[in-house]
Amino acid sequence: GENVEQHPSTLSVQEGDSAVIKCTYSDSASNYFPWYKQELGKRPQLIIDIRSNVGEKKDQRIAVTLNKTAKHFSLHITETQPEDSAVYFCAARLTGGGNKLTFGTGTQLKVEL
Amino acid sequence: GAVVSQHPSRVICKSGTSVKIECRSLDFQATTMFWYRQFPKQSLMLMATSNEGSKATYEQGVEKDKFLINHASLTLSTLTVTSAHPEDSSFYICSASFGYEQYFGPGTRLTVT
Repeated sequence: GENVEQHPSTLSVQEGDSAVIKCTYSDSASNYFPWYKQELGKRPQLIIDIRSNVGEKKDQRIAVTLNKTAKHFSLHITETQPEDSAVYFCAARLTGGGNKLTFGTGTQLKVEL
Repeated sequence: GAVVSQHPSRVICKSGTSVKIECRSLDFQATTMFWYRQFPKQSLMLMATSNEGSKATYEQGVEKDKFLINHASLTLSTLTVTSAHPEDSSFYICSASFGYEQYFGPGTRLTVT
């Protein structure tokens, strides 16, 4: 089955700086890679996703890059703000896996004033 | 966007009793719903995949007789924790599949005393 590794587990940045979270996946048949933001006690919220036929996708301050050859994808947040503080999860969907997602272990992002 | 509701949001029950959790997709039909369990500061652990009109598919290590799943319609899936014990205390989250994307419910905090 698919295995997703996520780094770092914690990340602290100053407000206005950029934050980068990286994930690697094991199965080259994975074709969809979403990122979720989860605030304490709340539901995970989809913030951006990318499909395997695309190398990069951007939505305002958030971008995701995908390197299929290396089997890794990254979340980039620019101009970080205190409200970006949360736990971020990456995930991968295996082709033919019936929409099942395998999640990374999460990154606790703290944006300090 | 796609909205998923989950009830109850919080439940406390006594050891040995059963608890039912409902998951509804409010503005779309979901042929597939997923049930996750999340312990504090940990990632989402998939318990089972629920398909409308058919039996749920359980992940390895999840007891199907303890965690009963029913997907009665395209907008409703239920998870029943039978004969709950303190070790079943956790945050249970459902999600509904819409195309490639998964949208999560707000979660149910179960405490078994």
